[in-house]
Amino acid sequence: QVQLQESGPGLVKASQTLSLTCTVSGGSISSGDYYWSWIRQHPGKGLEWIGYIYYSGSTYYNPSVKSRVSISVDTSKNQFSLKLSSVTAADTAVYYCARAAAGIDYWGQGTLVTVSS
Amino acid sequence: EIVLTQSPGTLSLSPGERATLSCRASQSVSSSYLAWYQQKPGQPPRLLIYGASSRATGIPDRFSGSGSGTDFTLTISRLEPEDFAVYYCQQYGSSPDTFGQGTKLEIK
Repeated sequence: QVQLQESGPGLVKASQTLSLTCTVSGGSISSGDYYWSWIRQHPGKGLEWIGYIYYSGSTYYNPSVKSRVSISVDTSKNQFSLKLSSVTAADTAVYYCARAAAGIDYWGQGTLVTVSS
Repeated sequence: EIVLTQSPGTLSLSPGERATLSCRASQSVSSSYLAWYQQKPGQPPRLLIYGASSRATGIPDRFSGSGSGTDFTLTISRLEPEDFAVYYCQQYGSSPDTFGQGTKLEIK
């Protein structure tokens, strides 16, 4: 059973960089045609796809955050990471890491990141 | 980007009734790359349907998906108490992936 777990600070100051890591267990991040993704959900709102990374390192980012976002992968640790720079209060959300192929079949539990002024 | 519009915003039904949820895309969804998710409070979304009509692993057969092009439907044939939640559609055929705004299915 594949499991994903987000980790990182729950509080980030405005203008700084949000950094989260997703640890994958129960399966190798290097195997299969999966897109390892980050998705966020603003409080009480819908879902926003941030971007994904393939195990080879190729990435795609949502244009809405493209200038501020970076996703990387560490296959030796079976982890992938998100960095979002110059954060504002609008970046306060629950951040999910997930595995995508035909739809998103595995999700982390999510971690709330609050941006403080 | 493809904008997905879900309707209705809220659907009030009773257990045992049939639920029909709609998802309309602003342009054709490539190869029916359309998924449906269920989300309960405090939980991540759960994949129900992918490829517009294929049930994900472990999903009961009372859930079914249909549609193509720009119009898609999620049907729950007979509502169980655990089905009351928020439902989202997602298209993954054209980058960026996008989600609908959600339909809240509540107990009448």
